[in-house]
Amino acid sequence: GAVVSQHPSWVICKSGTSVKIECRSLDFQATTMFWYRQFPKQSLMLMATSNEGSKATYEQGVEKDKFLINHASLTLSTLTVTSAHPEDSSFYICSAVSGSKTQYFGPGTRLLVL
Amino acid sequence: SQKIEQNSEALNIQEGKTATLTCNYTNYSPAYLQWYRQDPGRGPVFLLLIRENEKEKRKERLKVTFDTTLKQSLFHITASQPADSATYLCARAYNDYKLSFGAGTTVTVRA
Repeated sequence: GAVVSQHPSWVICKSGTSVKIECRSLDFQATTMFWYRQFPKQSLMLMATSNEGSKATYEQGVEKDKFLINHASLTLSTLTVTSAHPEDSSFYICSAVSGSKTQYFGPGTRLLVL
Repeated sequence: SQKIEQNSEALNIQEGKTATLTCNYTNYSPAYLQWYRQDPGRGPVFLLLIRENEKEKRKERLKVTFDTTLKQSLFHITASQPADSATYLCARAYNDYKLSFGAGTTVTVRA
């Protein structure tokens, strides 16, 4: 089956630093990837759509200058949380859309900002 | 907005029984609904997709229904096992591939 990986699986950083999270589709190409955020006991909230070769589109209320997205190839999208603050601590999950239009999710990245 | 509601936050059942989870949506019927399983600290895993014109879909011990009149989907786990304990998420598609998720129902199956 289609596999999506994320790296790192967890990260702890100091307030004010930037953190990069990678999302890779391991055995298929994905022109579209999505980034979600999930707070404890809450649902996944879509942050942005990452399109290979073009700019990401952001959902309402998500700051594009704070959450930088780069979809450099058909198998890799990166999310950079710039100048992270404690309120950015969350579980970040990516997904990749396969040729069959199914979304396959990565295992998630736990971010803790101190 | 394309709202998805899963009314039950938690469901505790005895092993061997059938778990039934409810997902309600607002506004127009989506072209399809999807159900995912999420274990603690992990990303969601796709289980089933049911289209608007399908009444019912099955996969092993799982069954999903889609009622456009009630604007509701039901998700059944038959002959439940402790290994089925997880959070189950309902999602509706909009604007091509985007998904709007419900808050999820956490199922606990007691041995």
